[in-house]
Amino acid sequence: QQQVKQSPQSLIVQKGGISIINCAYENTAFDYFPWYQQFPGKGPALLIAIRPDVSEKKEGRFTISFNKSAKQFSLHIMDSQPGDSATYFCAASSAGSARQLTFGSGTQLTVLP
Amino acid sequence: KAGVTQTPRYLIKTRGQQVTLSCSPISGHRSVSWYQQTPGQGLQFLFEYFSETQRNKGNFPGRFSGRQFSNSRSEMNVSTLELGDSALYLCASSTVGGGYEQYFGPGTRLTVT
Repeated sequence: QQQVKQSPQSLIVQKGGISIINCAYENTAFDYFPWYQQFPGKGPALLIAIRPDVSEKKEGRFTISFNKSAKQFSLHIMDSQPGDSATYFCAASSAGSARQLTFGSGTQLTVLP
Repeated sequence: KAGVTQTPRYLIKTRGQQVTLSCSPISGHRSVSWYQQTPGQGLQFLFEYFSETQRNKGNFPGRFSGRQFSNSRSEMNVSTLELGDSALYLCASSTVGGGYEQYFGPGTRLTVT
């Protein structure tokens, strides 16, 4: 019940296209859903995050769509650029004094020039 | 503000040895969490410390331990190293008790031979 399932495992997009990565969760106690971007040799960097009281959040070219009833959320990268080529992780955590991030398995995004 | 720093960045140890990794959180952040990243298991939560107290622990054997100092700096220790402990160990800091906006360091790459 703690799992976060992420798809696809890998994604190839042309420059200027839209990249879409999906995640699904089971634990209804999850109340915070961040997305992280990781480049080789670096730690994950927080991109954008959403809470279940909103259905969409946009920051620049990055948008999170959240469907509470379906227990799914997705990351959309508009106008994808070669510099966006990285591994993307969705994650979730639940409320309480002690919180931990449960991560999806990651999506390797390649944006072709 | 300086980011999360981790030392050392790379480490090679022999099976059976023990190792100590260090993490300095972002100034003002009092919560420090540790994660293990491997190709097979992905990103997995190890433990979280807040105000020098371990508040949450993931599903790892007792060989993995940690502590936090009064200045919020944290160390994790792995005793009796096994080949399977080879991984990237990531530290993340947060202003609240983990979960909300965790910022990751570059990680320590541990190789056990």
